[in-house]
Amino acid sequence: AQSVAQPEDQVNVAEGNPLTVKCTYSVSGNPYLFWYVQYPNRGLQFLLKYITGDNLVKGSYGFEAEFNKSQTSFHLKKPSALVSDSALYFCAVGLDSNYQLIWGAGTKLIIKP
Amino acid sequence: NAGVTQTPKFQVLKTGQSMTLQCAQDMNHNSMYWYRQDPGMGLRLIYYSASEGTTDKGEVPNGYNVSRLNKREFSLRLESAAPSQTSVYFCASSEAAPRGNTIYFGEGSWLTVV
Repeated sequence: AQSVAQPEDQVNVAEGNPLTVKCTYSVSGNPYLFWYVQYPNRGLQFLLKYITGDNLVKGSYGFEAEFNKSQTSFHLKKPSALVSDSALYFCAVGLDSNYQLIWGAGTKLIIKP
Repeated sequence: NAGVTQTPKFQVLKTGQSMTLQCAQDMNHNSMYWYRQDPGMGLRLIYYSASEGTTDKGEVPNGYNVSRLNKREFSLRLESAAPSQTSVYFCASSEAAPRGNTIYFGEGSWLTVV
């Protein structure tokens, strides 16, 4: 079965420190990879995506993610965390063979002052 | 820049009642979606519409119906609400099939069935 895993339900980081939110996937075919962020009581907002080309993708709010084909991962990173980055983060995978996106369960990111 | 607009924002229903969630997008997108979000389960696709005039079942369609009224509007109907349908519902749209296309979400509708 095709799946996306976000192995950490919650990630705690001190403000100013680098952050990583992990995502791994298991799919057939070439993946399109996405990160979305959800603030409390809001809809999901697009952060960044990998389609093809450079494995390092830069997105909104200073976030970036690296596509690693051999490890089937697409971890979200930011060099210096802000308290305002605290939110729920979702990884998702799209495939040419499937109309539906495959979603991870989400990781709650908490940035402490 | 309204994007994706869905109504109502909050609704409380009694078991067995019916209701319709409305959704409209102003981005001239071809594809539209209805998702539900439950704690610890991420997002699950209920129905989608690849283009005007078509609708298809997603992962969890039971108990729901949809109508793609025109290119802009995509409604979700609960014919006989059940407590298991208590959830947050999101409408979304994309230019074409999600594959590599960005999906844009509405702000959500909080539904409680008692």
